[in-house]
This record gives sequence, C-alpha cells and structure tokens, in this order.
Amino acid sequence: AQSVTQLDSQVPVFEEAPVELRCNYSSSVSVYLFWYVQYPNQGLQLLLKYLSGSTLVKSINGFEAEFNKSQTSFHLRKPSVHISDTAEYFCAVSDIYNQGGKLIFGQGTELSVKP
Amino acid sequence: GAGVSQTPSNKVTEKGKYVELRCDPISGHTALYWYRQSLGQGPEFLIYFQGTGAADDSGLPNDRFFAVRPEGSVSTLKIQRTERGDSAVYLCASSEGGAGTYEQYFGPGTRLTVT
Repeated sequence: AQSVTQLDSQVPVFEEAPVELRCNYSSSVSVYLFWYVQYPNQGLQLLLKYLSGSTLVKSINGFEAEFNKSQTSFHLRKPSVHISDTAEYFCAVSDIYNQGGKLIFGQGTELSVKP
Repeated sequence: GAGVSQTPSNKVTEKGKYVELRCDPISGHTALYWYRQSLGQGPEFLIYFQGTGAADDSGLPNDRFFAVRPEGSVSTLKIQRTERGDSAVYLCASSEGGAGTYEQYFGPGTRLTVT
C-alpha cells in the first residue's frame, strides 16, 4: 500500500518569490510520482511526472520536482512564482507493478500568490 | 478535442435516495477511473475500468456503491440509499490504457450533496 503526505496545507507567497511545496510518500514497492494542479473552477491537470531516468523533472511553465529515493520525497519548486500560479497542487503516486492503475493522492497544498 | 465530461455538474438528493453519476471519457481511451474528493482532501480512488471490466474496485467504500461501463466508453457510478457522508465531488478520469500510459485526464467533477 502507498500513502502520500503533503506537509503544508496552505502556502502564501509574494509574486516573484521562490516556492517549495513538499511531498513525502510511503510505499513498500517502487512508485511513479506525479504533481497535479487544480486552478480555480477547473479540473485536475497533470503538471509533471517522474517515471524513470533523471530524477529532476520539469514542467513547461517553470516548475520542477526532484525525486529523492532515500528521503522518499518529490518536492515541487519554482524559482519565481506568478499570480497565475495560484491553485491547489496535489502530489500523487502509483505502483509501478500496476501500470495504468490507480493514483494515490496527498491532501493538497493551496498555493496563494499575492502581488 | 473534447475532454472528459461529467453529468450532472451538481446533484442534490435526500438521504436514502438513489443517484447515478455519468462520465464520458475522451474518445478512444480504454481506461476509466472514478475518484471521490471530500472537502479539504485529495482525490480518493474508487474504481478503475480497463475496457468494460472493473480491473480494480478496491476503493469502493461499501456495497451501496456500484459502477458500470457496459460498452467500454461511458461509465455510470451508482449510489444506493445515499447517506450524508456520501457528499463529495466525484471525479472521473480516463487514460489511453495499456502499459506505459500514465497520464490520467480528469473531468470537472459532479458535486453531490446529500441532505
């Protein structure tokens, strides 16, 4: 079984400041890792994913996340946030032995970017 | 192209009633998932279909919940004898299915309120 913990339920930050949203997971098997984003009044969208290879993965809008196996973490970072990054962010894992199977989500982190 | 659609967008029902929630996946996607998201929580897995069959129904909370996908496209989540604790946003997602396809595309959800 897997579980995901997002350590911060809310992260307020000023525009152009850096941000880190923390995610830790627990699993008895190897996992794939995902970050999903939910903008206000929209559905969940995949932001980035780690499947294999380089442990640093990047999104098209400047976010990056690094898989750290020893610390079982997959923290999301952005060096300079914009107002438009205001959203709820969810970390998720899936079992690599169950390809295409269910996602286990964390509780979510609400990122609020202020001018 | 069209994304995942869910109907209705909102459903209010009385305790004890029966409800059906519908999901139309992206055309050609063979995998379909149902999740439930309670206020302040991340999505919680309910059931996963590969084609017409339920590949994993381990997340269904009890026998009041049932889902079908008779023709391998549209799916219906059915809840009998609704309880106030069933109030949540019910999310549907689809993916291409098969090994190596990991991105799940989410619909906007159905907000169920049981009074």
